[in-house]
Amino acid sequence: GESVGLHLPTLSVQEGDNSIINCAYSNSASDYFIWYKQESGKGPQFIIDIRSNMDKRQGQRVTVLLNKTVKHLSLQIAATQPGDSAVYFCAENAAGGYNKLIFGAGTRLAVHP
Amino acid sequence: GAVVSQHPSWVICKSGTSVKIECRSLDFQATTMFWYRQFPKQSLMLMATSNEGSKATYEQGVEKDKFLINHASLTLSTLTVTSAHPEDSSFYICSVRTGGASPLHFGNGTRLTVT
Repeated sequence: GESVGLHLPTLSVQEGDNSIINCAYSNSASDYFIWYKQESGKGPQFIIDIRSNMDKRQGQRVTVLLNKTVKHLSLQIAATQPGDSAVYFCAENAAGGYNKLIFGAGTRLAVHP
Repeated sequence: GAVVSQHPSWVICKSGTSVKIECRSLDFQATTMFWYRQFPKQSLMLMATSNEGSKATYEQGVEKDKFLINHASLTLSTLTVTSAHPEDSSFYICSVRTGGASPLHFGNGTRLTVT
């Protein structure tokens, strides 16, 4: 089902620490997942994606982990920087085709110097 | 990925008037574009799928007569909010997908404020 957040949870981290943002998805048939970063007043920006036949995928300073057993997705950001401060959304590809992405509620990441 | 441009970036209109938002795919011929809406501090909600040369597909609960979508070319889709009301004030964002299992590429959104 679709997820609508009434307010955004916030993760506060110190600059240089690692951040872990979690997401629970709803549809066990979803087979493609994406993490987006959204800065204030802008559209979402693609960070990293993963298909359901993988458990882990790494990018530059970011890692996505997928646990299909518990329908859980996480985004790990290494050596978090002030520029990482934003709202992060996970998105799942709805079953039945690749045309619809359903977004999670989002998490605000606040990086403190 | 695709480069997506939206215009205007923000608009203020009076209640009862109509507003048109343009979404352009600058470097990719998009047969399909996706329109999302985002209220403050909330997630993105898919409103409709815009199909080039045919009718848009609307999500449940989205009024097709209120949110008119036209996708007349492979690079342009428009969303017209008709008879806008204050509750239509939101952030409208369009997106393009370049392949099957691939991410959506978003425009920078249009902030609509209805007074």
